Amino acid sequence: NAGVTQTPKFRVLKTGQSMTLLCAQDMNHEYMYWYRQDPGMGLRLIHYSVGEGTTAKGEVPDGYNVSRLKKQNFLLGLESAAPSQTSVYFCASSYYTGTQQYFGPGTRLTVT
Amino acid sequence: AQSVTQLGSHVSVSEGALVLLRCNYSSSVPPYLFWYVQYPNQGLQLLLKYTSAATLVKGINGFEAEFKKSETSFHLTKPSAHMSDAAEYFCAVSDTGTASKLTFGTGTRLQVTL
Repeated sequence: NAGVTQTPKFRVLKTGQSMTLLCAQDMNHEYMYWYRQDPGMGLRLIHYSVGEGTTAKGEVPDGYNVSRLKKQNFLLGLESAAPSQTSVYFCASSYYTGTQQYFGPGTRLTVT
Repeated sequence: AQSVTQLGSHVSVSEGALVLLRCNYSSSVPPYLFWYVQYPNQGLQLLLKYTSAATLVKGINGFEAEFKKSETSFHLTKPSAHMSDAAEYFCAVSDTGTASKLTFGTGTRLQVTL
């Protein structure tokens, strides 16, 4: 039981490049989330999903897209990376309303 | 909109001393409240959660928190700090609607000194 895993762990992009971050969970959770963590700002919700085939915007969705084609996977895409997207990205999942969210180990992204 | 305020971005205590990390929330309905801990270069781990049962919630590693509706607070305490408690702590609030989106505070970094 691996929990929540994220791929890759580190990535460096040049401005304008694109990439996809992969989140996978093996706990059969319905809900999945993408957050970004920046110093002094806590974690902020980018996008989330309440089930396979559904996605919704969070607090800071601009510049990101997501897809949830399979229940266990939640992909976060950056179409044209900007230096402002330099951050640590965390994926999380939860079973249902009110239950705890389980977090992955994070992906550290640097955009130069 | 919900919000969470954590007073003190850095707290330093001596080993064996009381740990008190403050969290105040704003929510229009009774919320779910959580404390998470983040060790360096790791993800977040749940310490404890309040979901409208007992107002005093006990968590892992000797931590506990008390929900006080009249003060809209959910402060985290531990009677005796240990060096291994040094980490960043996040308070978060979730509404009771679908998806249970979390709104996080800005975090408090706890330093434990000898």
